[in-house]
Amino acid sequence: GAVVSQHPSWVICKSGTSVKIECRSLDFQATTMFWYRQFPKQSLMLMATSNEGSKATYEQGVEKDKFLINHASLTLSTLTVTSAHPEDSSFYICSARDHESPGYTFGSGTRLTVV
Amino acid sequence: AQSVTQPDIHITVSEGASLELRCNYSYGATPYLFWYVQSPGQGLQLLLKYFSGDTLVQGIKGFEAEFKRSQSSFNLRKPSVHWSDAAEYFCAVGPQRGNNDMRFGAGTRLTVKP
Repeated sequence: GAVVSQHPSWVICKSGTSVKIECRSLDFQATTMFWYRQFPKQSLMLMATSNEGSKATYEQGVEKDKFLINHASLTLSTLTVTSAHPEDSSFYICSARDHESPGYTFGSGTRLTVV
Repeated sequence: AQSVTQPDIHITVSEGASLELRCNYSYGATPYLFWYVQSPGQGLQLLLKYFSGDTLVQGIKGFEAEFKRSQSSFNLRKPSVHWSDAAEYFCAVGPQRGNNDMRFGAGTRLTVKP
């Protein structure tokens, strides 16, 4: 079945630095990928929709300059948290839709801790 | 607008007891419906999904769910819970066509008593 690889699985960074998270569809092409954020004991909240070859669509309240999304190929989307601060610490999960078959596939998530 | 409601934030059941987790959705058309499980610090694992056809869907780990259009529900069930089933469960809805995202319920945390 469809597999989405997300890397890294966890990262600790210093406040003010930037962190890049990768989301790859391993055995299918994904023209659209989604980035979610999950706070402890809460549900997943959509941050943005990543479209291959075009600008991402951000949800209301999500700072596009802080959360940079690049979807340069049909199998890779990246989320860069710029100038990270402790309040950006969270669990970030990507998903992709395989248009050959119904359904969405999720990455394993990235635990970001900003110290 | 599409939305998903999981009325129960936290459920505790005894090991071996039956389980039902509730999920109600609001959607303009026939949606795709999903149940995911998440263990602490882990990603999401798909338990089962409904697209069309038989309204009783079998999933992994002995779970099943029934789609009831008249009630806009997609409740998850398991006849006998195991201690390893303790986790967070999310119901989600997604479009049948297009590139729109999935929307998740708030989640139900399952605790299993020995």
